[in-house]
Amino acid sequence: DAGVTQSPTHLIKTRGQQVTLRCSPKSGHDTVSWYQQALGQGPQFIFQYYEEEERQRGNFPDRFSGHQFPNYSSELNVNALLLGDSALYLCASSWGQGEIEAFFGQGTRLTVV
Amino acid sequence: AQTVTQSQPEMSVQEAETVTLSCTYDTSESDYYLFWYKQPPSRQMILVIRQEAYKQQNATENRFSVNFQKAAKSFSLKISDSQLGDAAMYFCAYRRPETSGSRLTFGEGTQLTVNP
Repeated sequence: DAGVTQSPTHLIKTRGQQVTLRCSPKSGHDTVSWYQQALGQGPQFIFQYYEEEERQRGNFPDRFSGHQFPNYSSELNVNALLLGDSALYLCASSWGQGEIEAFFGQGTRLTVV
Repeated sequence: AQTVTQSQPEMSVQEAETVTLSCTYDTSESDYYLFWYKQPPSRQMILVIRQEAYKQQNATENRFSVNFQKAAKSFSLKISDSQLGDAAMYFCAYRRPETSGSRLTFGEGTQLTVNP
């Protein structure tokens, strides 16, 4: 049973560029959330997708956008990258809107230079 | 908005000893969930233990137990018989019951070192 998988594991981008990160949820899960974890800090909630729609959003600018596909996988897109966007991006999945536990992937380390 | 505070950026413990990590939170809700997650250098968040606010009994998972004080809004994690593999970053997290399991509010984390 595959857990949550994220790709790529590492990425280096130049300021001003755009980036797409990918997440495949744990088998049987239909809800995906994205988090940004700056170095030495706790993860911050970006947004959540369920039934291919953004259901909840944290305090992040519109440069951060996402998508969920019919197979429940998800993408996180960040436009006009800033140096401050350098962080570990974590994906978490769960089943439905009421399951208690979330399962996390190993994250994508994004470095903006 | 809910907030989670971990006041101990770093903690250390001798192998086989016991250590307690602190967490406080702020919420106006009466029903919610609390979690402790472990993040080793591999970066993947691993659930250690969870507590439902409506349950008075403190949760226990093998060597891990919590001290849940609802009135004080305190949720500490006790690790007994510490092992080298327990070394990691530990995060306390909060979740409202009506939101999906994958939307969590995290604290800033406590880096735990286990000395042999």
